[in-house]
Amino acid sequence: NAGVTQTPKFQVLKTGQSMTLQCAQDMNHEYMSWYRQDPGMGLRLIHYSVGAGITDQGEVPNGYNVSRSTTEDFPLRLLSAAPSQTSVYFCASSYSGGRTSSYNSPLHFGNGTRLTVT
Amino acid sequence: AQTVTQSQPEMSVQEAETVTLSCTYDTSESDYYLFWYKQPPSRQMILVIRQEAYKQQNATENRFSVNFQKAAKSFSLKISDSQLGDAAMYFCAYRSAGAQKLVFGQGTRLTINP
Repeated sequence: NAGVTQTPKFQVLKTGQSMTLQCAQDMNHEYMSWYRQDPGMGLRLIHYSVGAGITDQGEVPNGYNVSRSTTEDFPLRLLSAAPSQTSVYFCASSYSGGRTSSYNSPLHFGNGTRLTVT
Repeated sequence: AQTVTQSQPEMSVQEAETVTLSCTYDTSESDYYLFWYKQPPSRQMILVIRQEAYKQQNATENRFSVNFQKAAKSFSLKISDSQLGDAAMYFCAYRSAGAQKLVFGQGTRLTINP
């Protein structure tokens, strides 16, 4: 059982370049999300999805795009990378819906992608 | 909007001793969940313990326990008999009932001294 798989693990970009961070889960989770982790700021929500075809913005969505064409995949796109996007990115998934689901289905995290924009 | 605050950027403790990490949160909701996550140097996010707001009893998982004070909006983590493997960044997180979005605190880096 692979869980949540993120690729790549590390990436260096030049300012203005574009790239896609991949996230896939094999647990049939409806909910998927992207966070970024910066020193002293914890993890902040970028975008999330409650099911295929449905996405919404989190706390820090600017500069990022997402789509959810399948239940399994939730890629994060940087259209024009900026140094302020240097961070560690985490994808996370869980079952969704209902009070019981929220408690009994904690978020499952991928192992993160360290992105550096020069 | 909910906020979570961890006021201790760094903590250290001697091996085998007890340490308490602090967390406070701000919310107008009455039904929610609170979590502590551990992030070792491997970067993996590991769920340590969770608490439902409507439960008065404090959650316990082996050497890890919480002190949940709902009126004070406080959710501290106590680690007993600290071990070298406990060294990590610890994050406190809040989630509304029926939702999946987590709001994280800034994190506390815990060092264990042998």
